[in-house]
Amino acid sequence: AQSVTQPDIHITVSEGASLELRCNYSYGATPYLFWYVQSPGQGLQLLLKYFSGDTLVQGIKGFEAEFKRSQSSFNLRKPSVHWSDAAEYFCAVGANFGNEKLTFGTGTRLTIIP
Amino acid sequence: GAVVSQHPSRVICKSGTSVKIECRSLDFQATTMFWYRQFPKQSLMLMATSNEGSKATYEQGVEKDKFLINHASLTLSTLTVTSAHPEDSSFYICSARIREANYGYTFGSGTRLTVV
Repeated sequence: AQSVTQPDIHITVSEGASLELRCNYSYGATPYLFWYVQSPGQGLQLLLKYFSGDTLVQGIKGFEAEFKRSQSSFNLRKPSVHWSDAAEYFCAVGANFGNEKLTFGTGTRLTIIP
Repeated sequence: GAVVSQHPSRVICKSGTSVKIECRSLDFQATTMFWYRQFPKQSLMLMATSNEGSKATYEQGVEKDKFLINHASLTLSTLTVTSAHPEDSSFYICSARIREANYGYTFGSGTRLTVV
C-alpha cells in the first residue's frame, strides 16, 4: 500500500531564511508526487507536481522540489520564505494513470517569524 | 481550467438532520470523484471514491449508510451526511482526476460542517 511520511509536524523559520520540508513515500510503481499548501479554513492549492522527466520540479510561489528515487523522497524547498508562506503543507502520492486516489502525508505546519 | 466548484463552503446544522454537499466540475467531465474528510490539525483522509453511474467505494471504517454519495452525472457528485452528529463536524473536500494535464488532481474549496 502506498504511504507518505512527513517527519516534521511543525517547522519555524525566520522570514528570508531558506526552507526545506521533507517528504518520503512508499509506492510500488513509478509515483506521481504532489505538494499542496493549505491556509487555515481553506482548500488545497497545488504548489507543484512530479510526473516524469526532470527530477527538479519548479512550482508556484518560488517553490521547488526534487524527486530522488534512491531515497524515496520528494523534499520541498524555497530559498527565501515570506511571511505569507505560513500555512500547512501536504505531500501526496498517487498513480500516474487511471483513477487512483491520492494518499496524503500528515502535513507540516510552517510558522514564519519576523 | 479544470475547476471543481464545491458548495456550501460552510454549514451549521442541528444534530439529527441531514446535510448535502455538492461538487460540480465546471469545465471538464469528472468520471471519478474522491471525497476526503479532514479533522482540525490533521491530514486529509479518503472517505470514498465515486464513479459516475455506479456505487461508491468506501474506505474501511466509513459508514456508507451515513455518508451517502451520489455521482449521477459526469459533472455532479454529492455527499449527504445523514442524521448528523457533533462528531461528524469536520472539513469535507472533494477531488477529481483530470484526464488531461497528465492525470492531475483538482480539489474543491472544501465545506466546513458544524453539527450543533
